[in-house]
Amino acid sequence: EAGVVQSPRYKIIEKKQPVAFWCNPISGHNTLYWYLQNLGQGPELLIRYENEEAVDDSQLPKDRFSAERLKGVDSTLKIQPAELGDSAVYLCASSLTAGGLNEQFFGPGTRLTVL
Amino acid sequence: LAKTTQPISMDSYEGQEVNITCSHNNIATNDYITWYQQFPSQGPRFIIQGYKTKVTNEVASLFIPADRKSSTLSLPRVSLSDTAVYYCLVGDWNTDKLIFGTGTRLQVFP
Repeated sequence: EAGVVQSPRYKIIEKKQPVAFWCNPISGHNTLYWYLQNLGQGPELLIRYENEEAVDDSQLPKDRFSAERLKGVDSTLKIQPAELGDSAVYLCASSLTAGGLNEQFFGPGTRLTVL
Repeated sequence: LAKTTQPISMDSYEGQEVNITCSHNNIATNDYITWYQQFPSQGPRFIIQGYKTKVTNEVASLFIPADRKSSTLSLPRVSLSDTAVYYCLVGDWNTDKLIFGTGTRLQVFP
């Protein structure tokens, strides 16, 4: 069974440029998460989707970050414009559904470097 | 969700049992305890989770005392490949929302 797929694995951009990350969750998983992980820190939740609905985006910096999951399957996270402090690893995870001790499966992440 | 506190780092040798203790003093009735493992350049991977008492699977055991204010992850007979960061988390039963801390960096030596 394929795991969570993310692309690209690495991205280097200059500040003020836009960038987008793509995630394809495990087939049949209704819940999708985007996390940000800074070096030496644990992942921090940015947004959680239940199917196509963003049910928790309280930690998403909405002035520059946006996300979508139009058909309730794959998802895109965008930053526009990127800032130096956005350099981090962006992780996507999925689970069957929210609640009830469902394990989250993580992708390998996209490492973003903003110059 | 309750904040968790765990040691920043631990060292061990191959073949030894490793116990990582985590405190979560403000755990709520609806919260459960879960542990994830993360290798460099990979996303975290689920190890084990539980609500109370003891849970065991093929890779680890989780001990949770009656007051649930702490938990201990036990890794039997570690190998070099167990070198990783281990996160103790408290999750909300209703939403599966997880709050990651900085984790415990386990280094296993030959």
